[in-house]
Amino acid sequence: DTVMTQSPATLSVSPGERASLSCWASQSVNSDLAWYQQNPGQAPRLLIYAASTRATGIPARFSGSGSGTEFTLTISSLQSEDFAVYYCQQYNNWPLTFGQGTKVEIK
Amino acid sequence: QVQLVQSGAEVKKPGASVKISCKASGYTFSHYAVHWMRQAPGQRLEWMGWINVGNANTKYSQKFQGRVTITRDTSASTAYMEVSSLRSEDTAVYYCARTVWYWFDYWGQGTLVTVSS
Repeated sequence: DTVMTQSPATLSVSPGERASLSCWASQSVNSDLAWYQQNPGQAPRLLIYAASTRATGIPARFSGSGSGTEFTLTISSLQSEDFAVYYCQQYNNWPLTFGQGTKVEIK
Repeated sequence: QVQLVQSGAEVKKPGASVKISCKASGYTFSHYAVHWMRQAPGQRLEWMGWINVGNANTKYSQKFQGRVTITRDTSASTAYMEVSSLRSEDTAVYYCARTVWYWFDYWGQGTLVTVSS
């Protein structure tokens, strides 16, 4: 299986600051990577697919980059609603796999 | 608007089976695949399998092969997942999600399955 590893586990950021979240794959996934945001008690919400394409309705402050085995999700200026857990997911190899998540908390 | 509405929480004993439903609305059901994932407390999301709604073909994670069955009823715009031989480690929130390719653009609200004697 392709193991997805996210770093850091927790990121403490002040509102208005920039946040960068990392995701590594144990083998190449090309650009077949998605990012999701999850709030407590809710289902995940798609942010990014194909490594860098924003999903419908996602604000421009969210951006994704990377290919192969290294990926980054950047939130340019954190808003109050952005404090949540973020997951990466690869869909290049079966089975589809997710990272363990990065919690973005208020500093 | 697109919605996936799942059935309610379940409590099951070890060894039992559970069948969860996922009713779709707001789009043409047969045009999108439906995948199933689960999330145990404090754990990462885990992909379980998917169904091509148009032709009913399925694919399962090797981890769940033989214990999970995904079906659909196009007349009811509903997908189902049945998990058999439940054990305590199957306690989790189970999600259905829609895909065009293999990322998930709409999700159900989740169904908590508790396995306890």
